[in-house]
Amino acid sequence: GAVVSQHPSWVICKSGTSVKIECRSLDFQATTMFWYRQFPKQSLMLMATSNEGSKATYEQGVEKDKFLINHASLTLSTLTVTSAHPEDSSFYICSAESPGLAGLYNEQFFGPGTRLTVL
Amino acid sequence: QQQVKQSPQSLIVQKGGISIINCAYENTAFDYFPWYQQFPGKGPALLIAIRPDVSEKKEGRFTISFNKSAKQFSLHIMDSQPGDSATYFCAASVSNYQLIWGAGTKLIIKP
Repeated sequence: GAVVSQHPSWVICKSGTSVKIECRSLDFQATTMFWYRQFPKQSLMLMATSNEGSKATYEQGVEKDKFLINHASLTLSTLTVTSAHPEDSSFYICSAESPGLAGLYNEQFFGPGTRLTVL
Repeated sequence: QQQVKQSPQSLIVQKGGISIINCAYENTAFDYFPWYQQFPGKGPALLIAIRPDVSEKKEGRFTISFNKSAKQFSLHIMDSQPGDSATYFCAASVSNYQLIWGAGTKLIIKP
């Protein structure tokens, strides 16, 4: 259980175009999803926290107008990179919170990531 | 105070040996300490996690040791195998909310 999928797994686009990445929790409902960005050989950097039915909370330094997040349902969150530029090329990873054992603590489960390359 | 410091940056261990990765934190409010394993081109996968009410947790070949007074926790991989070669991240959070990540350790197990 607790499987998170991402689509697409990789995407190449031209500079100036927009790219949408989907994150789905396949076998559980996630009221909270997180979006991360990871550069090569570096740790994960939290971009934003997404709660179903409300506006996402962005981390300091992350442009909310550039990285649009929509959490339309309890199993789907989307990240749209608008007017992408080469510096947006990165590995984008989502995670979803799942209730832990006995409902005591939540656990974060991660998607497989999406490799974005902007030419 | 929000940082989690992870060491070493990279580690080479012979097959069958013990791999040890260490993390230290400052924020005493942290109450959840997970370890994640990440293979190249993949998302992180939860390996094992501990809460501060216990000093050790073991799952198969993986053990977390937790020292609350020293504000340190470590991952031990017993009988390390080539398939364990990956990048390992420690993290910490308050009530499972926002994870604060360590910098990662690239582990290579030599056959």
